[in-house]
Amino acid sequence: DQQVKQNSPSLSVQEGRISILNCDYTNSMFDYFLWYKKYPAEGPTFLISISSIKDKNEDGRFTVFLNKSAKHLSLHIVPSQPGDSAVYFCAASVIQGAQKLVFGQGTRLTINP
Amino acid sequence: GAVVSQHPSRVICKSGTSVKIECRSLDFQATTMFWYRQFPKQSLMLMATSNEGSKATYEQGVEKDKFLINHASLTLSTLTVTSAHPEDSSFYICSAEHAGANYGYTFGSGTRLTVV
Repeated sequence: DQQVKQNSPSLSVQEGRISILNCDYTNSMFDYFLWYKKYPAEGPTFLISISSIKDKNEDGRFTVFLNKSAKHLSLHIVPSQPGDSAVYFCAASVIQGAQKLVFGQGTRLTINP
Repeated sequence: GAVVSQHPSRVICKSGTSVKIECRSLDFQATTMFWYRQFPKQSLMLMATSNEGSKATYEQGVEKDKFLINHASLTLSTLTVTSAHPEDSSFYICSAEHAGANYGYTFGSGTRLTVV
């Protein structure tokens, strides 16, 4: 049972344009969501997070939107830069629970010059 | 910021031998650490939750006798893959939780295990 889903395995975006990565979840108990960036043979690097009491969180070029009713979140990167090319994972957790993260399958983002 | 050091980054071992992977929190204390494995082009799958001073909690389907976890101090957790087989070849990643402003989980750099 895949509780966190990233249905797009890959995404290609022109440099300078907006990259939008999507993530859906099924477990309504999740109340904290995170996005990670991962390069090959490296551990994930934290990008941005959002708790369920918010619907938007912004940090520089990165903005995460949360739609609780649709159980959907998205990561917007604008403007996209070549260094943003990586695999992006969304993850979810229940703050009051075991606090373990459940990851989506990842989306490989390629920024074309 | 919080740093998690994972060692070794790459290991090749013979089938039937055991391999130990270390995960250290360098500048903070980690009561809880997590161990993940990632197969090529797949998600990170949680294997177990490691709690300092107590037994690890394993996810369903993960053999606790094969993947031994020890969390003897607040800065060190180890994962030992015992009697490794080629199907254990994978990318293993640890993470530690720290109660920072973003409830961060800091990840180690991962260990590529190849069993031949």
